[in-house]
Amino acid sequence: DTGVSQDPRHKITKRGQNVTFRCDPISEHNRLYWYRQTLGQGPEFLTYFQNEAQLEKSRLLSDRFSAERPKGSFSTLEIQRTEQGDSAMYLCASSRGQTPNYGYTFGSGTRLTVV
Amino acid sequence: GEDVEQSLFLSVREGDSSVINCTYTDSSSTYLYWYKQEPGAGLQLLTYIFSNMDMKQDQRLTVLLNKKDKHLSLRIADTQTGDSAIYFCAEGSGYNKLIFGAGTRLAVHP
Repeated sequence: DTGVSQDPRHKITKRGQNVTFRCDPISEHNRLYWYRQTLGQGPEFLTYFQNEAQLEKSRLLSDRFSAERPKGSFSTLEIQRTEQGDSAMYLCASSRGQTPNYGYTFGSGTRLTVV
Repeated sequence: GEDVEQSLFLSVREGDSSVINCTYTDSSSTYLYWYKQEPGAGLQLLTYIFSNMDMKQDQRLTVLLNKKDKHLSLRIADTQTGDSAIYFCAEGSGYNKLIFGAGTRLAVHP
């Protein structure tokens, strides 16, 4: 068990470009979450998967954002036509069940800078 | 709506106790959590409390929950320099989606 892995750790992109981030959850975890954290704020919920099904999307997730978890294992988060306001840390988390006893583990995040 | 509020900054002397406070709005929250974030690192779960409990103690950490006032606190006994970090309060709603506060930056000085 190597924890939740996120790739890349850092991404600098020009405004208008598309970016894609990857998250590899802990292998036995069926739930996967994406959060966004801007400077000086706590993480904000973006979306949630149970296995391959995307069960909830926050209103923060505009049409330019799309997330997938095609085989119920790793997940990707794509941002199209990036804007400077998309600059943030994107955090992935996974869990096996619904209570804290099953663990809710965060990755180290992908820091996106849009210039 | 769901909202979690924390004071932004706390400064304590090494060896003293730290108390970080949090208020939340969602009375249906099942669990309330405290996370720690160090610079450049991910979020680390410190402790959590079930909503039908008043208190939970875990080594140097004590969590107090006042459900009537929707107030949560984290007490760190014998605070050390290694405790310097940002502490986030979070409430669990639904299928364990977490709603976080903005975080309290704890600075420990000699």
